[in-house]
Amino acid sequence: ETGVTQTPRHLVMGMTNKKSLKCEQHLGHNAMYWYKQSAKKPLELMFVYSLEERVENNSVPSRFSPECPNSSHLFLHLHTLQPEDSALYLCASSHNERSSQYFGPGTRLTVL
Amino acid sequence: AQKVTQAQTEISVVEKEDVTLDCVYETRDTTYYLFWYKQPPSGELVFLIRRNSFDEQNEISGRYSWNFQKSTSSFNFTITASQVVDSAVYFCALSENKAAGNKLTFGGGTRVLVKP
Repeated sequence: ETGVTQTPRHLVMGMTNKKSLKCEQHLGHNAMYWYKQSAKKPLELMFVYSLEERVENNSVPSRFSPECPNSSHLFLHLHTLQPEDSALYLCASSHNERSSQYFGPGTRLTVL
Repeated sequence: AQKVTQAQTEISVVEKEDVTLDCVYETRDTTYYLFWYKQPPSGELVFLIRRNSFDEQNEISGRYSWNFQKSTSSFNFTITASQVVDSAVYFCALSENKAAGNKLTFGGGTRVLVKP
């Protein structure tokens, strides 16, 4: 079983839709992360959760809302997105905040 | 603020050639970590190596080797005898020793294309 899984792998949504991205890790890690990878920008950290508590919010617009119900699951709730939010959204996990991060396959999001 | 620069945006080689990817970083911290990740076309970032700032020993893992030079703030990555499966985007990243949150700063990536 792969360590970090993400669903869906592809998502197309309109600007008025509400959708959620899901990430699950099977590695027994305590920290989880959301990253955004756009075509013309380096990978950007969005949120960090450690022991289910948000420890970093990297100036992300409120139309992105993370949720971490337990140490194995991380969600990214999306609403009223803009076309410029189209990107690959990557989830990662690590044993703790100082350990190496392991990434999932990403969700390719297209906002029409 | 920390910064990672990968000056090479794309490198094209023929199979069995060696390829070296450059990575230069900036940080004010004395304790930090450096990483390399591989991103194949499937999109998943694959962890390759992590090195802390106090360990300047070079490392070799199979066909992969890393050269950490603190004096020049560089952490270069060499693939020896490249294979088609090595075609991917490679990212160098830096993490400062923060207590809260392991904030990785990524370089822009280098796309490696290995032709048969």
